Amino acid sequence: NAGVMQNPRHLVRRRGQEARLRCSPMKGHSHVYWYRQLPEEGLKFMVYLQKENIIDESGMPKERFSAEFPKEGPSILRIQQVVRGDSAAYFCASQRTTNEKLFFGSGTQLSVL
Amino acid sequence: AQTVTQSQPEMSVQEAETVTLSCTYDTSENNYYLFWYKQPPSRQMILVIRQEAYKQQNATENRFSVNFQKAAKSFSLKISDSQLGDTAMYFCAFMKQNRDDKIIFGKGTRLHILP
Repeated sequence: NAGVMQNPRHLVRRRGQEARLRCSPMKGHSHVYWYRQLPEEGLKFMVYLQKENIIDESGMPKERFSAEFPKEGPSILRIQQVVRGDSAAYFCASQRTTNEKLFFGSGTQLSVL
Repeated sequence: AQTVTQSQPEMSVQEAETVTLSCTYDTSENNYYLFWYKQPPSRQMILVIRQEAYKQQNATENRFSVNFQKAAKSFSLKISDSQLGDTAMYFCAFMKQNRDDKIIFGKGTRLHILP
């Protein structure tokens, strides 16, 4: 059973471009969380999704950011018109169901030039 | 709202020594989980230990143990016989139990194990 897979591992974008970050949860996991980590900071919650539903997006900026977790395929975190302040490591975590252990991916390092 | 506070940004200890990392939290919940995660330079988040709030017994995983003081809302991590591979960022985290809710992380403590 492969772990949580995130790709790409590194993503470089110029200001104004779009960034699409992918997360494939562990097999059998229907809960996905996205977190952002700035240098020397902890992980800040962005969004929590279950299959085809956004459960909590209280940590996600209202503009330019969106997330989805379709019935088939990976979860996608999309950042439109990126700015330098979006540069960070973005982590995905998955969970089989409530109260169970969270497993983290290795993160995607987004660099905005 | 829940908060998690780690008051030690950075610590250094000699190999084989014991080190304790502090964590306090604030919540009005009675049922919840507390965690310690390790993040080595590889950036991978690794679960070190998990504590259920309803359990009075402190969780232990090999060289890692916690001191859970529910009334004081304190959850410290003790690493015994520290090893060079323990060098990492350590994050304390909180999650409500039986709720569809997220894990909340502290800002972390950078731990250096010196040879």
